[in-house]
Amino acid sequence: NAGVTQTPKFRVLKTGQSMTLLCAQDMNHEYMYWYRQDPGMGLRLIHYSVGEGTTAKGEVPDGYNVSRLKKQNFLLGLESAAPSQTSVYFCASSYGRNNSPLHFGNGTRLTVT
Amino acid sequence: GESVGLHLPTLSVQEGDNSIINCAYSNSASDYFIWYKQESGKGPQFIIDIRSNMDKRQGQRVTVLLNKTVKHLSLQIAATQPGDSAVYFCAEFHSGGYQKVTFGTGTKLQVIP
Repeated sequence: NAGVTQTPKFRVLKTGQSMTLLCAQDMNHEYMYWYRQDPGMGLRLIHYSVGEGTTAKGEVPDGYNVSRLKKQNFLLGLESAAPSQTSVYFCASSYGRNNSPLHFGNGTRLTVT
Repeated sequence: GESVGLHLPTLSVQEGDNSIINCAYSNSASDYFIWYKQESGKGPQFIIDIRSNMDKRQGQRVTVLLNKTVKHLSLQIAATQPGDSAVYFCAEFHSGGYQKVTFGTGTKLQVIP
């Protein structure tokens, strides 16, 4: 049982490049989330999904897209990276019912130059 | 607005002493709270949770206290060990929809051997 797995762990992009961050969970969770973590700030929700085939915007969705084609996978895409997207990205999952904790992956550290 | 914050950004304690980390929240409708531990280079790790119908919950060496009157949450770590060194932050859950979560910015706990 690996929990939540994120790939890659590190990535450096040039401004304007695109990439996809991969997240996989093996806990049969319904809900999945993408957060970004920046110094001095709490985790901020980018996008989330309440089930296979569904996605929704969080509080900071601009510049990102997501897809949830399979229940266990949640992909985060950057179509045209900007320096402001330099951050650590965390994927999380949960059962989704009230009072169910989020389980996090170990993050992807992205630098955009 | 809604917010979750921590009073102390850094806390240094002697090994073997008890640690207390505090968190203030502002949304009286929040009904579930979690303390997470985040070690350097890793994702947040669930430590302990508490529902709003409780005021205290104990785990292994950890205790969470909830004071709904003043909207305050605390994490107590007994006999602090070097392995407890990490950033700790609280998460506040509001039921409904996708289970909205607000995260605090974190307190860094440094254990002095």
